[in-house]
Amino acid sequence: AQKVTQAQTEISVVEKEDVTLDCVYETRDTTYYLFWYKQPPSGELVFLIRRNSFDEQNEISGRYSWNFQKSTSSFNFTITASQVVDSAVYFCALSARSNYQLIWGAGTKLIIKP
Amino acid sequence: EAQVTQNPRYLITVTGKKLTVTCSQNMNHEYMSWYRQDPGLGLRQIYYSMNVEVTDKGDVPEGYKVSRKEKRNFPLILESPSPNQTSLYFCASSLRRVINEKLFFGSGTQLSVL
Repeated sequence: AQKVTQAQTEISVVEKEDVTLDCVYETRDTTYYLFWYKQPPSGELVFLIRRNSFDEQNEISGRYSWNFQKSTSSFNFTITASQVVDSAVYFCALSARSNYQLIWGAGTKLIIKP
Repeated sequence: EAQVTQNPRYLITVTGKKLTVTCSQNMNHEYMSWYRQDPGLGLRQIYYSMNVEVTDKGDVPEGYKVSRKEKRNFPLILESPSPNQTSLYFCASSLRRVINEKLFFGSGTQLSVL
């Protein structure tokens, strides 16, 4: 069975702090993709990043970085120097070759206080 | 502008009164899908369509119908809504149904069934 766990239901930090959102996944497939999506207060869902199972290089995009570790089945997301505009619900998702269905985590609500 | 257009944004109805939520995409995407989002559960797939006239059940199809008569449109139909269908609904599309495709989402429909 495939599963995505985002154990942090809600995180609250003060602006400019660094924050890491955890994502742990389960799959028996060797070929799979991991995704992060952002849902700001306005409600729409926005794609952030996609990573395939054969590429364990960390990714950095501005203040955002992603740490993919197959050894721990984790794909964590770090925001450096957080800003109020980063406040959103963040979803991690898994897509595997065996069933092509996107499996979603429950989401982590991130609150950045000014 | 490439987008998924979903209407209405908010809908309040009563038990048993048939309703339709429309979804249209202008990106010539083959794959379209409906999700519902409930607190603590992430996104759950209701139905999906891999192309015109091809639809299939997701994880939570009971109480919903869909149709895909045209490539761009994928309406969600609740023939006899019940209070447990109160939720936030999202339509999504992607070019194809492959495991590495990112999804484009509509703005969401907040449905309340009284």
